Amino acid sequence: GQQLNQSPQSMFIQEGEDVSMNCTSSSIFNTWLWYKQDPGEGPVLLIALYKAGELTSNGRLTAQFGITRKDSFLNISASIPSDVGIYFCAGRTITGNQFYFGTGTSLTVIP
Amino acid sequence: EAQVTQNPRYLITVTGKKLTVTCSQNMNHEYMSWYRQDPGLGLRQIYYSMNVEVTDKGDVPEGYKVSRKEKRNFPLILESPSPNQTSLYFCASSRGPWGMNTEAFFGQGTRLTVV
Repeated sequence: GQQLNQSPQSMFIQEGEDVSMNCTSSSIFNTWLWYKQDPGEGPVLLIALYKAGELTSNGRLTAQFGITRKDSFLNISASIPSDVGIYFCAGRTITGNQFYFGTGTSLTVIP
Repeated sequence: EAQVTQNPRYLITVTGKKLTVTCSQNMNHEYMSWYRQDPGLGLRQIYYSMNVEVTDKGDVPEGYKVSRKEKRNFPLILESPSPNQTSLYFCASSRGPWGMNTEAFFGQGTRLTVV
């Protein structure tokens, strides 16, 4: 199956700091999605990206669809304790019927 | 309220005892899929369904079966569970895999332990 490399694997940051994580693929994607998963829950969509170069914000979150169509990043500004969780990228190739997920970035925010 | 409902949330079973995890969505979505989540491996797709009576294998289909007799339901069947199928399972649905606004909505997960 498709491999999505997501980094970093985990982050420990102070409340108020900005966070950046990214995802790269070996294939060209035409959709990138970013999800957050709280403990004991299913992933919840944060941001969806459909065009190369697209930059989209959702509150303190900003995500971009890379120009090469092989990467995406997610930034969280001024982190707060409720940002704690696992963040997943997901993408779909041009020809495929499947979404592929990254391995996740575990975020811990220290008050 | 739009939702994807999985049952049960937790299940402990013994090796070889057939089990079914149910999944139901109330959004009239055509596309449904099953994922398993394991530490360090993220979410891996087991099976997906493009519509009623149309199913296809994902990345890790071995040991699993699915059926899609109705649009809203997509059960996951383990005919003879083994310990390596101990995992956290998620069902997801979306309008389709194509185009915009086709992001998946996930159920709350089923934590399965096979002993």
